[in-house]
Order: sequence, then structure tokens, then C-alpha cells
Amino acid sequence: GQNIDQPTEMTATEGAIVQINCTYQTSGFNGLFWYQQHAGEAPTFLSYNVLDGLEEKGRFSSFLSRSKGYSYLLLKELQMKDSASYLCAPMDSNYQLIWGAGTKLIIKP
Amino acid sequence: GAVVSQHPSWVICKSGTSVKIECRSLDFQATTMFWYRQFPKQSLMLMATSNEGSKATYEQGVEKDKFLINHASLTLSTLTVTSAHPEDSSFYICSARLAGGNEKLFFGSGTQLSVL
Repeated sequence: GQNIDQPTEMTATEGAIVQINCTYQTSGFNGLFWYQQHAGEAPTFLSYNVLDGLEEKGRFSSFLSRSKGYSYLLLKELQMKDSASYLCAPMDSNYQLIWGAGTKLIIKP
Repeated sequence: GAVVSQHPSWVICKSGTSVKIECRSLDFQATTMFWYRQFPKQSLMLMATSNEGSKATYEQGVEKDKFLINHASLTLSTLTVTSAHPEDSSFYICSARLAGGNEKLFFGSGTQLSVL
């Protein structure tokens, strides 16, 4: 079957760095997306990885290892507005996104 | 970037009535749109895939006669919740696929449906 595993909740301090891990099992693989979702709002796109390695985009970076079925999202210089849920969503062979429950990130001053 | 407009953002209705939710891609053509439902503190659940000019493909367990989807143009898809009941109360989100490249999805702002 298809499965996504992310921590349910994480807490970090403003200005610090946090890494959100994601392991996945899918039927085929066509890349992995990370989305940010604030409470009561729709998700917004953060990153897309299809090849192994690290993709850096400003304060956010995303890493993928296809052989391990593993990805992480790295957030640097945390700001209070980064408090949100972060959704790891791999794309299967039918180009459908598989959604996990996401990781709720709480930023403390 | 590409913009997807979803309307209404919030609706309250009586049990037994029908509610229509619109999803428009404002500055691009979307041959494929997706409809999701999200209950509080749960993940997005794909309800159906909507392709322009053809019947929607529904996920297992989603009643196609209850959740009517129409994708009559390349910029508009609608979801109608027919004979809504309190258990249909949820956050409904649409997304549109930007063709080519990385198959990135753009999301509407979502519709919070509360059925009394």
C-alpha cells in the first residue's frame, strides 16, 4: 500500500533551525512535494524534488533520497509566521499526490 | 504565479439543501482539477479528479451522485454537494494542475462548509 510517515508535531524556537522528516512508500514515484498549510487555509507550494539531493530555496531546503524513500524539509532562521502544518506529498505512478497528515510546527519566541 | 480562485470561502446551509462550490484558474488553463476534503486535524483526502470535457474520476468511497463535479471549461470546475447533511461539514479545497514541468498544483483558498 501507499504510506506517508511524518512526525505529528514539532516545536522549535524563533531564529533556530528545524528539520521535518518524511518517509514514504508509493506505487511508483514521480517526485515529492512539500506544502505549507496554515490553520484554516489551503496548502501553498514550498518545494518539489524528483532527483536525489538537496534543493535550496531561501530559508527553506528540501532533500530527497529515492532509494531510502526519505525526504526532509529544512527551515532556517525560523520566524513566528512559520508556525503551520507541513505536508509531505509524494506523487505516485499515476501522477496522484499521496497526502499524509502533516507535521504541525509550533514556533516559540 | 498561477492563481486559483475558489468561491465561496464559507457557507452555512440547512440539512437537505445543495451547495455549489466554484474553482477557477484565473491566468492559466487547467485541463485537470482536483477536489479534496479535509476534516479538522486530518490530511487532505482526494475526492475526485476532474478533467475538462469528461466525467470526473471519483476516489473509492466518494459518492458521485452526492458530490457532482462539472468541468465544462478549461478554467472552471464546480463541486455540488447535493442534499447536504451535517456529516458533510468539512473544508473543501480545489487545486489545478499546471501542465508541463513538475506537475505543480495550485490550490484554491478552500471552502468551509457547515451543514446545520
